[in-house]
Amino acid sequence: KQEVTQIPAALSVPEGENLVLNCSFTDSAIYNLQWFRQDPGKGLTSLLLIQSSQREQTSGRLNASLDKSSGRSTLYIAASQPGDSATYLCAVRLGWGGSEKLVFGKGTKLTVNP
Amino acid sequence: EPEVTQTPSHQVTQMGQEVILRCVPISNHLYFYWYRQILGQKVEFLVSFYNNEISEKSEIFDDQFSVERPDGSNFTLKIRSTKLEDSAMYFCASSDRVNTEAFFGQGTRLTVV
Repeated sequence: KQEVTQIPAALSVPEGENLVLNCSFTDSAIYNLQWFRQDPGKGLTSLLLIQSSQREQTSGRLNASLDKSSGRSTLYIAASQPGDSATYLCAVRLGWGGSEKLVFGKGTKLTVNP
Repeated sequence: EPEVTQTPSHQVTQMGQEVILRCVPISNHLYFYWYRQILGQKVEFLVSFYNNEISEKSEIFDDQFSVERPDGSNFTLKIRSTKLEDSAMYFCASSDRVNTEAFFGQGTRLTVV
């Protein structure tokens, strides 16, 4: 059974700092991995999708990497801003053709202090 | 920008009552999903739907749940006889192909009293 773990559970940083959020998964047979942002009481906003054949994806100040063999992904946020404060969720889609569902981690709650 | 729309944003219902949660997926998408998030817990998969039938469902999705695409735009989740433990945020999602980026709605907060 695929398990997704995110460390740390919470992170507080001063504005301007670069930071890394970690995601690990137990079964490396994934099709892709998606990072989301969730604001309190709100929906999930897709940030980045990495296919299993890719090593990284970039969008603005965000960079996500994937090491499928070791079951790890990181989300790098450059020059953090107070508006980045949210919970960041990692989710993996299981192996091609086998499943359509996303399996989520519990998230990392990020607070960026002005 | 296209988005997934869910209504209502918040619904309060009495235990044992039936509720229908509604979703309008992105218009050219073919795959539709329901997930739920109990307060403080992980987002959990409930069901996926493609070509007018359920393609996958989780253990949570028992006989009290059903999904339907009654017309070309809406996608609904029905809970027949709600229980206290059904209280959660329910998210609808859609994607244009299987295994591509999933886009989520803002959620419906269901409170069963």
